[in-house]
Amino acid sequence: ETGVTQSPTHLIKTRGQQVTLRCSSQSGHNTVSWYQQALGQGPQFIFQYYREEENGRGNFPPRFSGLQFPNYSSELNVNALELDDSALYLCASSLGTGIGETQYFGPGTRLLVL
Amino acid sequence: AQRVTQPEKLLSVFKGAPVELKCNYSYSGSPELFWYVQYSRQRLQLLLRHISRESIKGFTADLNKGETSFHLKKPFAQEEDSAMYYCALLSSNTGKLIFGQGTTLQVKP
Repeated sequence: ETGVTQSPTHLIKTRGQQVTLRCSSQSGHNTVSWYQQALGQGPQFIFQYYREEENGRGNFPPRFSGLQFPNYSSELNVNALELDDSALYLCASSLGTGIGETQYFGPGTRLLVL
Repeated sequence: AQRVTQPEKLLSVFKGAPVELKCNYSYSGSPELFWYVQYSRQRLQLLLRHISRESIKGFTADLNKGETSFHLKKPFAQEEDSAMYYCALLSSNTGKLIFGQGTTLQVKP
């Protein structure tokens, strides 16, 4: 069984640029959730994708967008980067969205915006 | 409002001492709660969830709806328990996990 993988591991961008982060879900999982973890904070929910459709969104502006592909891998896109976007971005996959479904996390992508 | 509070940023104990990591939540429905752990240089991983009522690595957590708490306990701490611990609440209508700010557990020899 392959766990959740994310790429790249680290990334440096400048303010105003755009970034795409990638996530491969665990084998058999059809749901991917994205979280932002600022330094010293717990992860904050960005959005969730279930079978290629957005299935819930947290309190993040529209410049944060995502995609899920037929193989259930996912991308997180952030446009017009701001300094405060510097954080660890976590992806988690699960078998579904219902009660009792455990989310399994990837190692994260650390983004630094200068 | 849906919220998870972990009041302690750091908890430092000696090996063999009991440990209690506090977690309080605010949720209008029937809560589903988790403890996740992150060891140094490792990914966030599930430690336990209240619906399974398991004991993992000697840790237990009991849901107390009256006190809206889900404290994590271990009777005898080990050095390898040193890590960051996050309490999380699953919002059933959105599928999102709501995390607390985390507590660093430091177990001294």
